[in-house]
Amino acid sequence: AQKITQTQPGMFVQEKEAVTLDCTYDTSDPSYGLFWYKQPSSGEMIFLIYQGSYDQQNATEGRYSLNFQKARKSANLVISASQLGDSAMYFCAMREEGYSSASKIIFGSGTRLSIRP
Amino acid sequence: DSGVTQTPKHLITATGQRVTLRCSPRSGDLSVYWYQQSLDQGLQFLIQYYNGEERAKGNILERFSAQQFPDLHSELNLSSLELGDSALYFCASSSAEVAASSYNEQFFGPGTRLTVL
Repeated sequence: AQKITQTQPGMFVQEKEAVTLDCTYDTSDPSYGLFWYKQPSSGEMIFLIYQGSYDQQNATEGRYSLNFQKARKSANLVISASQLGDSAMYFCAMREEGYSSASKIIFGSGTRLSIRP
Repeated sequence: DSGVTQTPKHLITATGQRVTLRCSPRSGDLSVYWYQQSLDQGLQFLIQYYNGEERAKGNILERFSAQQFPDLHSELNLSSLELGDSALYFCASSSAEVAASSYNEQFFGPGTRLTVL
């Protein structure tokens, strides 16, 4: 069965430092996608970055990069040069992408990131 | 702004009542997904519709039902409400039915916060 694990319930980081948010996953499907979403205190879910299971290179989107280690089943989010506005809840998510699967997506329990000035 | 709209933003009701949450997907998106985010259960996938047909079912209670209309907007109906149904309900949309080894981002609406008293 699919499973997403985020082991860090909360993190405090100094502004301008880089931060790594951990995510491990479990799936028996060879084809899947991994996502990270940000949820600020206002409540909306904001898409950050996507990594496909067959992608050869780690995904990057501006200050966000995904450290994808397929053999270890980990998909850690790296935020470089953190900013105060990065303070939010971060969710790792996975979707199995086989033809027989609908686009069901499961989420981890989230990591609350707080950036200190 | 993701382009997904949800109404109402807030809903307060009593136990035993029935409510309807509404979602309009992004222009051109055929898939609509419903999620429930509660403090104790985290973010849970409820159900997906694609072009009017149910595609995937997650942890949706029998008291809950959904549909997608010809104009692609969707409604989530919650009946016989219980205190534990209090949560933030998200709708998300995407362009594809099933993503087979390909990118298929889901765009989230701002959510409807349901409070059952």
